[in-house]
Amino acid sequence: TQLLEQSPQFLSIQEGENLTVYCNSSSVFSSLQWYRQEPGEGPVLLVTVVTGGEVKKLKRLTFQFGDARKDSSLHITAAQPGDTGLYLCAGAPNFGNEKLTFGTGTRLTIIP
Amino acid sequence: ETGVTQTPRHLVMGMTNKKSLKCEQHLGHNAMYWYKQSAKKPLELMFVYNFKEQTENNSVPSRFSPECPNSSHLFLHLHTLQPEDSALYLCASSQDRGGGLSFFGQGTRLTVV
Repeated sequence: TQLLEQSPQFLSIQEGENLTVYCNSSSVFSSLQWYRQEPGEGPVLLVTVVTGGEVKKLKRLTFQFGDARKDSSLHITAAQPGDTGLYLCAGAPNFGNEKLTFGTGTRLTIIP
Repeated sequence: ETGVTQTPRHLVMGMTNKKSLKCEQHLGHNAMYWYKQSAKKPLELMFVYNFKEQTENNSVPSRFSPECPNSSHLFLHLHTLQPEDSALYLCASSQDRGGGLSFFGQGTRLTVV
């Protein structure tokens, strides 16, 4: 069974601060996706990373895929209250098996 | 708007009731999924359908019965549920079942009383 551990589990910071959340596994993934989920809503896809070492930027969000494709990080610069939500990473298996493996989630709260 | 629509958004049902959740996608995707999201637990995959055929059932109790009449629609029929089945039920779709991009509906918040 492939597991994705996210850290921290909870994070509460002031508006304007920077933060990084992590998604780690002992398994290799062919690609990794990040989602943000707001209360009472479904997860919304933010980005997909597919190449080891790949870095993608989405405005103030920077996503990185580990060289070995086992881990990923999400860095937010100058956090805004609108960044509040549950951040989920999900890995697509290396070969075969159609299931996405979801991480445990990081619940982020940005305090105005 | 992700292109995946779920109804109803909220549902309260008794343990002896029968109800159905509906999911519809207009993305032209071939694979559809049901997930269960409970507090403090990772998303749990329940069922996978690919080209209308069920390809996975993750040991889900028989009180949950999926139906996929075509590639655009997915149902989850519920009967004799337990209070511990209360959760957010999410539908998702992807182009194919190869672990590609998954787009989620807004979910149905189910409460079993």
